[in-house]
Amino acid sequence: RKEVEQDPGPFNVPEGATVAFNCTYSNSASQSFFWYRQDCRKEPKLLMSVYSSGNEDGRFTAQLNRASQYISLLIRDSKLSDSATYLCVTDTGGFKTIFGAGTRLFVKA
Amino acid sequence: DVKVTQSSRYLVKRTGEKVFLECVQDMDHENMFWYRQDPGLGLRLIYFSYDVKMKEKGDIPEGYSVSREKKERFSLILESASTNQTSMYLCASRSTGLMNTEAFFGQGTRLTVV
Repeated sequence: RKEVEQDPGPFNVPEGATVAFNCTYSNSASQSFFWYRQDCRKEPKLLMSVYSSGNEDGRFTAQLNRASQYISLLIRDSKLSDSATYLCVTDTGGFKTIFGAGTRLFVKA
Repeated sequence: DVKVTQSSRYLVKRTGEKVFLECVQDMDHENMFWYRQDPGLGLRLIYFSYDVKMKEKGDIPEGYSVSREKKERFSLILESASTNQTSMYLCASRSTGLMNTEAFFGQGTRLTVV
């Protein structure tokens, strides 16, 4: 079983739609959680950290459920520029960072 | 502007060759990582290092070794390249100590073994 599992998609949504991605992790020792974004043929870049109380950054909302070992990302009012692969990431304190395989999103006009 | 630099964007090597992939970071980060990324499999951790001369195996270390002689440089070595090591290789660095620290990636090296 993979340590971090995501639905690979692709998710095809129209502009303005709300879309949600989910991710589960198996290592209960995981301490930090993130969502990264990777554009085609580019390196991954941090989108946002995920905090226990949930957090929001503009149109993006991240949630963490430690009991269920589950992370989510909600994107509201999708833009064409949101088209990318979204990677769920966990680590056990900076030494071992584990990436999910990613969820592909296509936003269409 | 923070930077992680990988020595090559594209490499073509022959089966059996010894291959060196170099990565340099300018952020004084303690932790450095090597991943490979393949379609449908995402990023898989090969090795990581949390200090000079220290290294730990990741999930897929077979066929690879690493070297970290200086804090800013982390090298990935393919002892005898094989066709199943054709992949995108990504180096990353990250600081320690604080929670939720960001990992910064290099631009990647696309290696083809023929």
